[in-house]
Amino acid sequence: DAGITQSPRHKVTETGTPVTLRCHQTENHRYMYWYRQDPGHGLRLIHYSYGVKDTDKGEVSDGYSVSRSKTEDFLLTLESATSSQTSVYFCAISDTGFPYFGPGTRLTVT
Amino acid sequence: EDKVVQSPLSLVVHEGDTVTLNCSYEVTNFRSLLWYKQEKKAPTFLFMLTSSGIEKKSGRLSSILDKKELFSILNITATQTGDSAVYLCAAIPLLSTSGTYKYIFGTGTRLKVLA
Repeated sequence: DAGITQSPRHKVTETGTPVTLRCHQTENHRYMYWYRQDPGHGLRLIHYSYGVKDTDKGEVSDGYSVSRSKTEDFLLTLESATSSQTSVYFCAISDTGFPYFGPGTRLTVT
Repeated sequence: EDKVVQSPLSLVVHEGDTVTLNCSYEVTNFRSLLWYKQEKKAPTFLFMLTSSGIEKKSGRLSSILDKKELFSILNITATQTGDSAVYLCAAIPLLSTSGTYKYIFGTGTRLKVLA
C-alpha cells in the first residue's frame, strides 16, 4: 500500500469550532487531494495541490481552506465547522497515474 | 460540465452470478478511466483503461472501455460474498494548465452478493 496516513481518524466537534485534518505521505508524490464522501454524492473534490504552496479549489471548496508547506503534508482546515460538513474525508495522492487513498477521517459536527 | 454516471445504483445478486456494472462519462479532453472497489474503508484501485476495446482482467474481474460510445463496463464472474462493495469509476481529463490530474468520480454502484 502507498504510504499515506490521515489524522485524526475520527473526530466529533461542535458547530462553530475550527478543525484541521492532516494528510501525510511518504511517497514523495507531487499531487495531493482532499475529497469528501457523502451518501448519494460519491467522492467530491474539495481542494487539491500540485506542489508545495501550490493549491487550488475543487468543486465543493466553500468553508474549507488548505495548506501545503512540505511535500509530505497537506492540511485541510474547516474555519468554523457546520453540520453540513459532517462527512468522511479522504486524502489522496498521485504522481502520473491513478490516485491512492488514505484511510479516511470520519468527522461529525454536532 | 464534466460528469460520470454509474448504473445501476445498487444491485443484489447470489453467489455464482455474473454482474455487469456500467460507467458512462462526458468529459472534456478525456484521457483515461479508473475503476475502484470500496469496502468499509478507502477505495482500492482495480483498473486503469486508456485504450478503447482492450480488455483488462484480474482474476474474475474484467473491464473494457469504449471511447466512441463514452462508456466502460466492469464485469465480475462467479461472484462471491467478498465482492460485496461499492464500485466507483472515475474519468481523468487531459492535464490542466497546472499539470494536475483532476479525477471525476461517479457516485458508485453498491453490489451485495448473497450466500
